[in-house]
Amino acid sequence: NAGVMQNPRHLVRRRGQEARLRCSPMKGHSHVYWYRQLPEEGLKFMVYLQKENIIDESGMPKERFSAEFPKEGPSILRIQQVVRGDSAAYFCASSSEQGSNEKLFFGSGTQLSVL
Amino acid sequence: GESVGLHLPTLSVQEGDNSIINCAYSNSASDYFIWYKQESGKGPQFIIDIRSNMDKRQGQRVTVLLNKTVKHLSLQIAATQPGDSAVYFCAENGSLGNTGKLIFGQGTTLQVKP
Repeated sequence: NAGVMQNPRHLVRRRGQEARLRCSPMKGHSHVYWYRQLPEEGLKFMVYLQKENIIDESGMPKERFSAEFPKEGPSILRIQQVVRGDSAAYFCASSSEQGSNEKLFFGSGTQLSVL
Repeated sequence: GESVGLHLPTLSVQEGDNSIINCAYSNSASDYFIWYKQESGKGPQFIIDIRSNMDKRQGQRVTVLLNKTVKHLSLQIAATQPGDSAVYFCAENGSLGNTGKLIFGQGTTLQVKP
């Protein structure tokens, strides 16, 4: 029973490049969430997706960031033209259903380093 | 605004002692609270949760207490072990209810001395 799978674990990018972070939710889970964690801080909500739909993106920066959760395949968090301030740990979480279960299960995260 | 905070950034306890980690929240509309444990280089791991219609919930070696009057949440760990060393985060669901959009506190680092 695999948990939430994220890859890559570590991603190094130079300023101006694109970063793509992937997340496969737990089996049977159709809700995916992306959170960002800066050093020595708590996690901050970014976006909530269901299959093919963005439900809540209120935590996403307006520019350069986008997320998708296609019908087939993993959820993707995409950061265009990365800047040093994007360096952080990005965590994906999944849950089985909205409303009756808000218990989120987190992946191991992707540590993004922007040089 | 909404905020979740922890009283102490670091808690140091002796192995075998009980640990109490505290958390204050400000949004009285929150009705779901959860504690996560995060070890270095890993994602948050679910420990225990509680809904606002309860004031206490017990798990294996852990107990969560909720005081809605003063908007306070605590995590008690019995017989603390070296493997309990980690950062502990409380989180609440805020005023939006069942969206999975959790608001996290800053975290308390638990250090267990052998």
